[in-house]
Amino acid sequence: EPEVTQTPSHQVTQMGQEVILRCVPISNHLYFYWYRQILGQKVEFLVSFYNNEISEKSEIFDDQFSVERPDGSNFTLKIRSTKLEDSAMYFCASSESSGLYEQYFGPGTRLTVT
Amino acid sequence: AQSVTQLDSQVPVFEEAPVELRCNYSSSVSVYLFWYVQYPNQGLQLLLKYLSGSTLVKGINGFEAEFNKSQTSFHLRKPSVHISDTAEYFCAVSDGGKLIFGQGTELSVKP
Repeated sequence: EPEVTQTPSHQVTQMGQEVILRCVPISNHLYFYWYRQILGQKVEFLVSFYNNEISEKSEIFDDQFSVERPDGSNFTLKIRSTKLEDSAMYFCASSESSGLYEQYFGPGTRLTVT
Repeated sequence: AQSVTQLDSQVPVFEEAPVELRCNYSSSVSVYLFWYVQYPNQGLQLLLKYLSGSTLVKGINGFEAEFNKSQTSFHLRKPSVHISDTAEYFCAVSDGGKLIFGQGTELSVKP
């Protein structure tokens, strides 16, 4: 069964450093998403991406964040200068279409900023 | 903007007992609702979804949920739980494509 994969599973970085989280969505999916879950809190939407551009982004997704689909398979989330409060589990998801279609989630990347 | 409230943060239950996990959503003209499960150290897996039609929705692993428009609720139920159902359960609503999640309910099944 096809699945969304994410690397690395755990990333530790120092405050102020840049990190890139990687995702490989399911191959025939067209919509891609990033969510995050701070420990003990709810899963929050960050950004959606379709046709090589951002469809929607939340208030959390400020200028420190960017997304890219550098080739036909990868989907990346970059945090330019990490802060302590960026420590969270980051989930990538993909879907065939928007709205009614199931979003398939990856296992997540746990980001720890020290 | 849509919102989702899960009324119970933790639900302990004994094996083979029935369980109900409660979820309320903010009212909207049309609403698409989902329940996801997160097992320890894993991603989110879809249990079931309501898009339209029958208000009783059946999902995987014996779970079902009932959409109640007048109560703005979408409670998840299982008549008899197993130890393996121990996990975090998230109710979510689709808002223009993105998912808005509730706070999650930790289901703990004890022998």
